[in-house]
Amino acid sequence: LAKTTQPISMDSYEGQEVNITCSHNNIATNDYITWYQQFPSQGPRFIIQGYKTKVTNEVASLFIPADRKSSTLSLPRVSLSDTAVYYCLVGLDNDMRFGAGTRLTVKP
Amino acid sequence: EAQVTQNPRYLITVTGKKLTVTCSQNMNHEYMSWYRQDPGLGLRQIYYSMNVEVTDKGDVPEGYKVSRKEKRNFPLILESPSPNQTSLYFCASSLGLAGGSTDTQYFGPGTRLTVL
Repeated sequence: LAKTTQPISMDSYEGQEVNITCSHNNIATNDYITWYQQFPSQGPRFIIQGYKTKVTNEVASLFIPADRKSSTLSLPRVSLSDTAVYYCLVGLDNDMRFGAGTRLTVKP
Repeated sequence: EAQVTQNPRYLITVTGKKLTVTCSQNMNHEYMSWYRQDPGLGLRQIYYSMNVEVTDKGDVPEGYKVSRKEKRNFPLILESPSPNQTSLYFCASSLGLAGGSTDTQYFGPGTRLTVL
């Protein structure tokens, strides 16, 4: 299983763009990169998934360089409600593991 | 509404008293799993099930049992709970597509267990 490394915490202000980078040096050829969001006292919620280049949905963008050894979750114009823990997972199907995640705090 | 439900949401018990946390999903998902979440350790998988009657150990299975007699239900059993099993537990389910790239896991609301 590819191990992931993320910053433990990040602070931002409302309206800013937030980029959270995840390192996964030993990602396998068939692995996908998936990000989840978790609010306090709730279960994680799927945000976005990608394999290479760039993926965008209504919530976030995911940037994956050609070597796929890292990925960056981009949250545009964050609000206070984006305060949560963000997890980067690497793997295929259900063969993925959650790390400790990145605790994002958005300040007014 | 598509969802994963867990019961109870909160439970305080004593060491050695058997308990079961139920998990049910209404999305006809093949794959179900249990996680525990502890401060600083993220979510760790306890057990998972690829289909009915098929279960396997995750990363921290010691002290837990599961069963998958029906597709929609995946109860977590603690035969003899101990204080180190005090944690926040999540059940999750997903389609379980082999080779699928978009196998999103749907999580339940969590069960906060305290073992005294």
